[in-house]
Amino acid sequence: SYVLTQSPSVSVAPGKTATIPCGGDNIGTKTVHWYQQRPGQAPLLVIYYDSDRPSGIPERFSGSNSGNTATLTISRVEAGDEADYYCQVWENSNSRQVVFGGGTKLTVL
Amino acid sequence: EVQLLESGGGVGQPGGSLRLFCTASGYTFRNFAMSWVRQAPGKGLEWVSSVSGSGANTYYADSVKGRFTIARDNSKNTVSLQMNSLRAGDTAVYYCAKGRLGIVDSAFDYWGLGKLVTVSS
Repeated sequence: SYVLTQSPSVSVAPGKTATIPCGGDNIGTKTVHWYQQRPGQAPLLVIYYDSDRPSGIPERFSGSNSGNTATLTISRVEAGDEADYYCQVWENSNSRQVVFGGGTKLTVL
Repeated sequence: EVQLLESGGGVGQPGGSLRLFCTASGYTFRNFAMSWVRQAPGKGLEWVSSVSGSGANTYYADSVKGRFTIARDNSKNTVSLQMNSLRAGDTAVYYCAKGRLGIVDSAFDYWGLGKLVTVSS
């Protein structure tokens, strides 16, 4: 089955840029979605179709996808961005299934 | 405003059954796929099952295939998850999630608050 690999944690100072990678075999051929989950809350969609932002999501959030790595980038990081971030794809090779990455905990220093 | 409200679930015994419901409002329910995603205590997100907008197509994670059944009632704006042959590993918060499209191959753009399911004797 398809596997998405995320680093367990990323730390960044306020005002700096956070880069959260999501690795997968030829992930660049798939469509990647990203979710933010703050402690005790439900997940929130922050990026869909690799790089599109839902309404209400700040322009500071952006995404890219190429080769074996998709990336969520958060510019001018704020304290409120501290959360777990998950990448997600639909896997269609054998049977349609959703795959989530293991999640990355973003800590704002 | 889109709202998803989970109900049902609770505590079940190993080998037993439980049923979850999700009631949707604020949009044309039949036009969008629906899914269940769970999160075990202290763990990451795990997809469980999805159903297309029409209800004609359903998909399951290998971990629940043959034990769980997803269904939707477009006349009542509800989606359910029947959980049979429960295992301790099914203990988790279960989220109802709306797809951005009618087909299942889309992001989950709205989520419910989640419902805790505990499997214990």
